[in-house]
Amino acid sequence: QQQVKQSPQSLIVQKGGISIINCAYENTAFDYFPWYQQFPGKGPALLIAIRPDVSEKKEGRFTISFNKSAKQFSLHIMDSQPGDSATYFCAADTSGNTPLVFGKGTRLSVIA
Amino acid sequence: GAVVSQHPSRVICKSGTSVKIECRSLDFQATTMFWYRQFPKQSLMLMATSNEGSKATYEQGVEKDKFLINHASLTLSTLTVTSAHPEDSSFYICSADSGVGYTFGSGTRLTVV
Repeated sequence: QQQVKQSPQSLIVQKGGISIINCAYENTAFDYFPWYQQFPGKGPALLIAIRPDVSEKKEGRFTISFNKSAKQFSLHIMDSQPGDSATYFCAADTSGNTPLVFGKGTRLSVIA
Repeated sequence: GAVVSQHPSRVICKSGTSVKIECRSLDFQATTMFWYRQFPKQSLMLMATSNEGSKATYEQGVEKDKFLINHASLTLSTLTVTSAHPEDSSFYICSADSGVGYTFGSGTRLTVV
């Protein structure tokens, strides 16, 4: 049973456009929702994270939107650049040093 | 920021030999280290959770005798792939909670020939 569903599987965006990746979760005990960026041959790097007490968090060109009632959250990448081309994973966690539950990932390609 | 140093980044070994992968938390203490395996174009699959000073907890389907995990100190956890076979070829990644989120190592690409 997949606890975090991520879509789309792949995404192609024009340079300067907005990239949007969506995730949905089932476990209402989740209280931490990070997004990770992974380049080929590298480990995932934390991009931005949100907790359910806020509906939106913005860091530079990256924004997380969170809808607690719908159990959904999304990553928006504004002014997408070719350097943003990578695989993005959403994840969820409960408090207490437990392993993250990952989505299946989205391969983003930003083309000039 | 918090760093988890993982070595080696790449290793090629012969079938039947053992390989050790190290993960060190450089600027924080990691009481727990998570070990993942990732196949090409797939998500991270949790293999086991190691706790400093105690036995690791393995996920269902992961052979504890093949993937030996040792967490001898608060800054070092190791994964040893014993009697490696070509099907063990994969990308192995460790992770720990640094207090400001989960930090991942840079990964180890294991190729068994």
